[in-house]
Amino acid sequence: EVQLVESGGGLVQPGGSLRLSCAASGFTFSSYTMNWVRQAPGKGLECISYISSSSSTIYYADSVKGRFTISRDNAKNSLYLQMNSLRVEDTAVYYCARLSGSTAEGYYGMDVWGQGTTVTVSS
Amino acid sequence: DIQMTQSPSSLSASVGDRVTMTCRASQSISSYLNWYQQKPGKAPNLLIYTASSLQSGVPSRFSGSGSGTDFTLTISSLQPEDFATYYCQQSYSNPREWTFGQGTKVEIK
Repeated sequence: EVQLVESGGGLVQPGGSLRLSCAASGFTFSSYTMNWVRQAPGKGLECISYISSSSSTIYYADSVKGRFTISRDNAKNSLYLQMNSLRVEDTAVYYCARLSGSTAEGYYGMDVWGQGTTVTVSS
Repeated sequence: DIQMTQSPSSLSASVGDRVTMTCRASQSISSYLNWYQQKPGKAPNLLIYTASSLQSGVPSRFSGSGSGTDFTLTISSLQPEDFATYYCQQSYSNPREWTFGQGTKVEIK
């Protein structure tokens, strides 16, 4: 079964740090671009980071750039998100998601998602 | 950044109804528009990619159309399990600028 399982969420004070993990199984993890997407309580979806299969290309949304770091370990079939200098507005459910493919012009959708891990930033 | 605007923000419909919702991009995104379904407390589920391609395993009552700036998701005969929130997402731009619409919530009439 193709599966993504996130972990590492929790309650943290503003300015603190957390490291999220996403364990992949059931597919060749090293062949796929991966993403982190978050959803604040009662709000919509926000793509916050992208990492190519070989880690050669990485992107961040402006909202997290300079504070969050995405990485992956293909030998361990794992994706990570190091979150530093956390703010109250980072409170959200964080999902890892697999990008199904791309062309020279654009990208396909995210076809496999984890169940999400909740990050709460509060004093 | 490319803004995505969905309409309506919510709709009420009955089982068996044909339901249509739209998504408009602030500039052309070719056909790089995806549709997701999300139920409360669950992760999004990809329904349609590149505007009109049905994701594997998704019922054929779901269909998508459009290109450029205007896109439509249609459910041909609404089923009880289809009551959910639907999001569009553009994946044309640099991934740092991917954006979702604000969602259309489909409720039971």
